[in-house]
Amino acid sequence: GQQVMQIPQYQHVQEGEDFTTYCNSSTTLSNIQWYKQRPGGHPVFLIQLVKSGEVKKQKRLTFQFGEAKKNSSLHITATQTTDVGTYFCAGRGTGTASKLTFGTGTRLQVTL
Amino acid sequence: DSGVTQTPKHLITATGQRVTLRCSPRSGDLSVYWYQQSLDQGLQFLIQYYNGEERAKGNILERFSAQQFPDLHSELNLSSLELGDSALYFCASSLDGDSGNTIYFGEGSWLTVV
Repeated sequence: GQQVMQIPQYQHVQEGEDFTTYCNSSTTLSNIQWYKQRPGGHPVFLIQLVKSGEVKKQKRLTFQFGEAKKNSSLHITATQTTDVGTYFCAGRGTGTASKLTFGTGTRLQVTL
Repeated sequence: DSGVTQTPKHLITATGQRVTLRCSPRSGDLSVYWYQQSLDQGLQFLIQYYNGEERAKGNILERFSAQQFPDLHSELNLSSLELGDSALYFCASSLDGDSGNTIYFGEGSWLTVV
């Protein structure tokens, strides 16, 4: 079945440093979504990428979808303590009624 | 507030018991998803319903079952509970079951099996 892996599992940065998490799928995706889960909270939708090579920005966050639609990345510029949490990618397969498979997540810790 | 309501928020029960988790999707959403998140683990997809019908099945154990009712709320039934079933169970909903829809998560139901 479809597997979605993320690296790194955990990253600890100092405030102001950049952060990147990578998401890789074992199969081609129709689209990929990114979610953020704050400690003790529930996943919250950030963005969806659909097109091959697509790049989207949300303030300090930059999301990319690979040309082959099998990988994606999330880059945060100049991290802040409010960025703390676990970032999940979630990829949807290309078949009909395909399910959304969440990645393993990257936990980000930001300290002053 | 995502608009997805889950009850109960917390539940402690003994091994061998059976519990039911309830979920009300966002108004207008037809699809409901159930996910399991163990401590420091990712989100394991259990099952999805769309307008009352099972749409997709993930890693759901045979001891677990779910259904979506005509009013679109959903229940996840967990039986013969084991210690390893202790986890945070999320319900999520989306407008429909197809590609491209944002999934909105509830706050989860914490299940502790002792």
